Amino acid sequence: DTGVSQNPRHKITKRGQNVTFRCDPISEHNRLYWYRQTLGQGPEFLTYFQNEAQLEKSRLLSDRFSAERPKGSFSTLEIQRTEQGDSAMYLCASSDHGAFFGQGTRLTVV
Amino acid sequence: EDKVVQSPLSLVVHEGDTVTLNCSYEVTNFRSLLWYKQEKKAPTFLFMLTSSGIEKKSGRLSSILDKKELFSILNITATQTGDSAVYLCAVGTSGTYKYIFGTGTRLKVLA
Repeated sequence: DTGVSQNPRHKITKRGQNVTFRCDPISEHNRLYWYRQTLGQGPEFLTYFQNEAQLEKSRLLSDRFSAERPKGSFSTLEIQRTEQGDSAMYLCASSDHGAFFGQGTRLTVV
Repeated sequence: EDKVVQSPLSLVVHEGDTVTLNCSYEVTNFRSLLWYKQEKKAPTFLFMLTSSGIEKKSGRLSSILDKKELFSILNITATQTGDSAVYLCAVGTSGTYKYIFGTGTRLKVLA
């Protein structure tokens, strides 16, 4: 499968725990996005990488969220001290023209 | 503040009907508009539009952009039950890398 790959597909965690998600983009794409989607809403932008550089970060993103793309290939999104409001689908997309999404990681904070 | 508004919010049709979904936007420095289909998983890319008046087609789906009136439409002809999904519109602007999504139109096609 040469599409965008995300792991894990589902994550259930207790409030206060840290979680980390991984995204492997389409190999020739140097642009990578993280989005968050809650029920009944469109995806909400979190952050953008061009190669290994994080070029944009949403003002809505709290300090508990951090993302990396150390070698310009895969990316990780970490949420520290999770809260129930963090429960959502976390989507990664990579882009040349248009943006192609992975299957997402569904996070449930209990 | 940049915004993307889709209408209708939901739509129920019968197989064989033709539907038109709308996406209007108010953004500074428009760059591109994307359409996606979302079933019970991640959005699937349909079209990217950058120029006014040029129709993009893929099978029974087509889309066109009007940069003067600031909207796009997505047409689906001869609808099938497999077209049932949420259709999302997203707009990209110059000066930022993000795409701004609308809340989507939920389409249900009845057999």
